[in-house]
Amino acid sequence: EIVMTQSPVNMSVSPGERATLSCRASQDIRTTLAWYQQRPGQAPRLLIYAASTRAPGIPGRFSGSGSGTEFTLTISSLQSEDSAFYHCQQYSDWRLFTFGQGTKLEIK
Amino acid sequence: QVQLVESGGGGVHPGRSLRLSCAASGFDFDQYTMNWVRQAPGKGLEWVAFISSDGSNINYGASVKGRFTISRDNSNSTLFLQMNNVRPDDTAVYFCGRPSTKFSYGYLPFWGQGALVTVSS
Repeated sequence: EIVMTQSPVNMSVSPGERATLSCRASQDIRTTLAWYQQRPGQAPRLLIYAASTRAPGIPGRFSGSGSGTEFTLTISSLQSEDSAFYHCQQYSDWRLFTFGQGTKLEIK
Repeated sequence: QVQLVESGGGGVHPGRSLRLSCAASGFDFDQYTMNWVRQAPGKGLEWVAFISSDGSNINYGASVKGRFTISRDNSNSTLFLQMNNVRPDDTAVYFCGRPSTKFSYGYLPFWGQGALVTVSS
């Protein structure tokens, strides 16, 4: 099983600043990585796939990077509505997809 | 537009069974793989099961393998999750999810609203 580890677990950032979230895979997954945003009581919303491709309708201040085992989600110019949980998911192994444990982002 | 609507959630005693459904509309259901993903209270997402478009390929997460069964009825555009011998740690919101393109797998742009399953004596 490919284990996904996200850091930090919690973070608090001021509006207008930048947030950098990390996701590490236990083995090489090339760029088969997605990022999701999830607000309380809602379903996850796809932000990024293939490590760096924004999903349709996602604002340009969300960007993804990385390959292999190290990945980053960057949210620039934070807004209050960005307060949410963020999850990474690997889909390299089609027999067993795995998610990270999530990062809770709070906007101060 | 793509719609996924889960149903069948509720309270269940440990060791009993429950069946979740996910009614799909707005796309050719029989041409898409489907997934179940769950989220325990206050926890991250956990992938539960995958089924290919024709039902011939099925995979499960380790924590549910041997207890849960994923299936689909393509004639009625419905996905199922049969949950047997449930345990308290199966308590979660269960989501069905669809990938972006036909016959593909991987990331999930489309999700249902979720169905809450609570396992408690």
